Amino acid sequence: DTAVSQTPKYLVTQMGNDKSIKCEQNLGHDTMYWYKQDSKKFLKIMFSYNNKELIINETVPNRFSPKSPDKAHLNLHINSLELGDSAVYFCASSQVSQAGQGTQYFGPGTRLLVL
Amino acid sequence: GQQVMQIPQYQHVQEGEDFTTYCNSSTTLSNIQWYKQRPGGHPVFLIQLVKSGEVKKQKRLTFQFGEAKKNSSLHITATQTTDVGTYFCAGRGGNKLVFGAGTILRVKS
Repeated sequence: DTAVSQTPKYLVTQMGNDKSIKCEQNLGHDTMYWYKQDSKKFLKIMFSYNNKELIINETVPNRFSPKSPDKAHLNLHINSLELGDSAVYFCASSQVSQAGQGTQYFGPGTRLLVL
Repeated sequence: GQQVMQIPQYQHVQEGEDFTTYCNSSTTLSNIQWYKQRPGGHPVFLIQLVKSGEVKKQKRLTFQFGEAKKNSSLHITATQTTDVGTYFCAGRGGNKLVFGAGTILRVKS
């Protein structure tokens, strides 16, 4: 019954490796997001997809590549991991096609530690 | 670009004291949302304000949206230990929702 799920929950890896995080939502929402939360709790949007199309792409290194195979999934692939990539990555979804809506439903987060 | 400033960054209160966090946007917002993130958890939606001057209450929590739709506040009356966490405002201007930096609330019992 989980609305927004992410895997893995924890990810510990070496610098220079490539890793992927997966996200799925079963809410029928049309928009999905990736956020990065650093150690100071600051939530920064990275990407947003609406119906599988990229609509927001913030200033993120091109080592980060999102992929949305369908409306319910948004994955994040990270190449050549760096120490500064260590953070909690949250997936979220919302339904923005309805006026007044757009509430973000967050996944449980993926805690990434790069050694 | 649109910026949302939130203060204070941290607040430690004694259980039973009141708490307020403030949000200010550089631009007029179409709506503002508030989220709570418990330690180790993920942000959870609390409320959305849409109308100028709107005030909404949820038990001990009072949310306000400014007349100019550029600022907002969350006030908690008589804090409890269950209120600990980080409170985020998020303002929508155009198609983007911009989060404030959050206010970390600690409650001493």
